[in-house]
Amino acid sequence: QKEVEQNSGPLSVPEGAIASLNCTYSDRGSQSFFWYRQYSGKSPELIMFIYSNGDKEDGRFTAQLNKASQYVSLLIRDSQPSDSATYLCAVVKGAQKLVFGQGTRLTINP
Amino acid sequence: DTAVSQTPKYLVTQMGNDKSIKCEQNLGHDTMYWYKQDSKKFLKIMFSYNNKELIINETVPNRFSPKSPDKAHLNLHINSLELGDSAVYFCASSRRQNLNTEAFFGQGTRLTVV
Repeated sequence: QKEVEQNSGPLSVPEGAIASLNCTYSDRGSQSFFWYRQYSGKSPELIMFIYSNGDKEDGRFTAQLNKASQYVSLLIRDSQPSDSATYLCAVVKGAQKLVFGQGTRLTINP
Repeated sequence: DTAVSQTPKYLVTQMGNDKSIKCEQNLGHDTMYWYKQDSKKFLKIMFSYNNKELIINETVPNRFSPKSPDKAHLNLHINSLELGDSAVYFCASSRRQNLNTEAFFGQGTRLTVV
């Protein structure tokens, strides 16, 4: 079982709709969870982090964490073409080891 | 000012050669990392240093040797390069561990072994 799993996509969403990205993790002791966005040919950049169960909102982005189900998600409201990118879920394990999922490629269609 | 900078950005070399990638961060962070991103975009940790001390060494061939002369620099030396080493290598840094430790990434080094 992979430490962090994501659906690699591609996920295609019409402009203005809600994009939903999902991630599961295997280590029940994991405490911190991150969503990074990576444009093609660029480096990953942090969108949000979450470490408490429930929802965390930042602008058009909402991260959701359910530790009992070992599940973390990212919702993007009012999707824009500029949101088209690969979204990487990451989990902190042990001594500050940041483990990434394989990423979900998101395409927003105008 | 670039927070985490890597050089070179592109590296094309022949099999069997030895090459180095340099990384520097000006964020005052204690921890630095090397990640490898393959053609399928999977970002896998290779090494992590905290204040010049190696704390994470994933299952990486001995041909890869990181060196941290000080906490602002983490270089990666690769001996006897193989075709399978072709990938994008990212350097990153973060503050000492806490719940919301964000990793900042360099622009990446695209290594192509021919």
